[in-house]
Amino acid sequence: GAGVSQSPSNKVTEKGKDVELRCDPISGHTALYWYRQSLGQGLEFLIYFQGNSAPDKSGLPSDRFSAERTGGSVSTLTIQRTQQEDSAVYLCASSEGQRSNEQFFGPGTRLTVL
Amino acid sequence: QQQVKQSPQSLIVQKGGISIINCAYENTAFDYFPWYQQFPGKGPALLIAIRPDVSEKKEGRFTISFNKSAKQFSLHIMDSQPGDSATYFCAAKNSWGKLQFGAGTQVVVTP
Repeated sequence: GAGVSQSPSNKVTEKGKDVELRCDPISGHTALYWYRQSLGQGLEFLIYFQGNSAPDKSGLPSDRFSAERTGGSVSTLTIQRTQQEDSAVYLCASSEGQRSNEQFFGPGTRLTVL
Repeated sequence: QQQVKQSPQSLIVQKGGISIINCAYENTAFDYFPWYQQFPGKGPALLIAIRPDVSEKKEGRFTISFNKSAKQFSLHIMDSQPGDSATYFCAAKNSWGKLQFGAGTQVVVTP
């Protein structure tokens, strides 16, 4: 069956530009998570969506970062006025619901800010 | 504040040897402790998980040992194979919370 997909797989942008990263979760999964993974580092939580509830934005590092989830399915992570320190792999994961423990990860989007 | 501390950062083991990765946590409300395996260019994938009511769980060559009183848990990879070369993350969560990940351990298994 189809897993979590993310696009693009790689994105190179210039400092100051805006970027949009897309995540398609597993069909029927109500929970969706965004993480950031810097080179050789662990997973940094960014934002969490659960059904129609207000998202948990507690991990967003600055107001340049935002995310939305349309129709309870596809999610877009937007980074405005990108900085070099934003360079990282952005991972999306989904799970069946808030109380479901297993998260299924997508392959990630590698963002490089020049 | 890192809620799950993982060590070592990296390790090299010979084929057939045992890889051991350790994690420690502070929050006693955590009730689910998974290990994720990540290959280069891929997202992490669930490898094995344990709940605090058991002290050990084994799946094939992978074993989690859990010490509730010490608030520590570890992953043992028996008979390590070159295909096990990957980055391993421990994590922890409570029933209503988010997964808290360790910093990861890069394992290299030499032929």
